[in-house]
Amino acid sequence: NAGVMQNPRHLVRRRGQEARLRCSPMKGHSHVYWYRQLPEEGLKFMVYLQKENIIDESGMPKERFSAEFPKEGPSILRIQQVVRGDSAAYFCASSPEAREVRTEAFFGQGTRLTVV
Amino acid sequence: KQEVTQIPAALSVPEGENLVLNCSFTDSAIYNLQWFRQDPGKGLTSLLLIQSSQREQTSGRLNASLDKSSGRSTLYIAASQPGDSATYLCAVNKGSYIPTFGRGTSLIVHP
Repeated sequence: NAGVMQNPRHLVRRRGQEARLRCSPMKGHSHVYWYRQLPEEGLKFMVYLQKENIIDESGMPKERFSAEFPKEGPSILRIQQVVRGDSAAYFCASSPEAREVRTEAFFGQGTRLTVV
Repeated sequence: KQEVTQIPAALSVPEGENLVLNCSFTDSAIYNLQWFRQDPGKGLTSLLLIQSSQREQTSGRLNASLDKSSGRSTLYIAASQPGDSATYLCAVNKGSYIPTFGRGTSLIVHP
């Protein structure tokens, strides 16, 4: 059972370009969370998704950022018109079907975005 | 709003010492608390998960305790080794599947 898979591991974009970050949850997991880790800061929650639904996007910047988790395929975090301040490590986590909240979250290795 | 604080922010110790890392949280109505390890430039590795009904969990040289009523958890590392050098993160789950993280304790164990 593969863990949470994120790709790419490293991504370099010029200012103004689009960045697309992908996350495949663990097998059997239908909940996905995205976090951002800025240099010298902790992990900040961005968005929580279930299949085809955004449950909580309270941590997502209002502009340029969007996320989806389609019925088929990975979850995508999309950043349009990137700026240098978007440079960070973006982590994805997944957890199982929501019948029991007492489960742990499993994290991917992250995508390190550098905007030049 | 849940806030998680970790003390100390950084720690540098010689090999062999027993260590205590602290985590405090403002809202005690949590379902569980999880300790992670993060190596430089890497992802998060789950170390221990403590349910709200539990007082502690142990894995090898690691022991994590939870005092939910006072909003505190400690991670105890016995006989520290250079390979333990990493950032240790505490995360609390209030039940909405959205763990809230502290900023971590950066640990260096030197030979």
